[in-house]
Amino acid sequence: GAGVSQTPSNKVTEKGKYVELRCDPISGHTALYWYRQSLGQGPEFLIYFQGTGAADDSGLPNDRFFAVRPEGSVSTLKIQRTERGDSAVYLCASSYGGGQPQHFGDGTRLSIL
Amino acid sequence: KNEVEQSPQNLTAQEGEFITINCSYSVGISALHWLQQHPGGGIVSLFMLSSGKKKHGRLIATINIQEKHSSLHITASHPRDSAVYICAVRLEKSGGSNYKLTFGKGTLLTVNP
Repeated sequence: GAGVSQTPSNKVTEKGKYVELRCDPISGHTALYWYRQSLGQGPEFLIYFQGTGAADDSGLPNDRFFAVRPEGSVSTLKIQRTERGDSAVYLCASSYGGGQPQHFGDGTRLSIL
Repeated sequence: KNEVEQSPQNLTAQEGEFITINCSYSVGISALHWLQQHPGGGIVSLFMLSSGKKKHGRLIATINIQEKHSSLHITASHPRDSAVYICAVRLEKSGGSNYKLTFGKGTLLTVNP
């Protein structure tokens, strides 16, 4: 596709469950970013990949959150033992390289009941 | 105090009016972005700038590095301009690279016909 694709678009699950959120970046983009946006707030940085490696994971709130990008393209954000406070829109962005304009996906709206 | 502050938080205008949204930041930056977010979450990058002024159609973005301030202007506003406008900065980082964005909370613009 032409843009950044995120799946699912919506995810509703119960507290304590495990969830995986997927991001398919624009082809050729080596940099990939995950952000989290709570209601009424601006997005907050979670993690940045350059290629397959996490170049900056300083935004991950705790060890329940983990992200991978094994082949340098698709990335998966994994959340263990979900809590109600994890409810938010999770946004993915990609760019040709670090410092280049970021192209955003439409996000995954995660609701923890 | 947030590193990125936007004003106003909410703005209502009549079609045709000239609109200004302001962004102030408190730290050194290497670039500033203006983004547009429509209901439903999708974010579109409007501008990335590190100095001076950029123009695209009816949109103009300016930045004053010394004053740590940027403005987004919309000329001849139209109801389709209604959206949340978000300012985001890439912070300077000594001794290395920093490619993540730090966001303001956004300005909700409503343009009435």
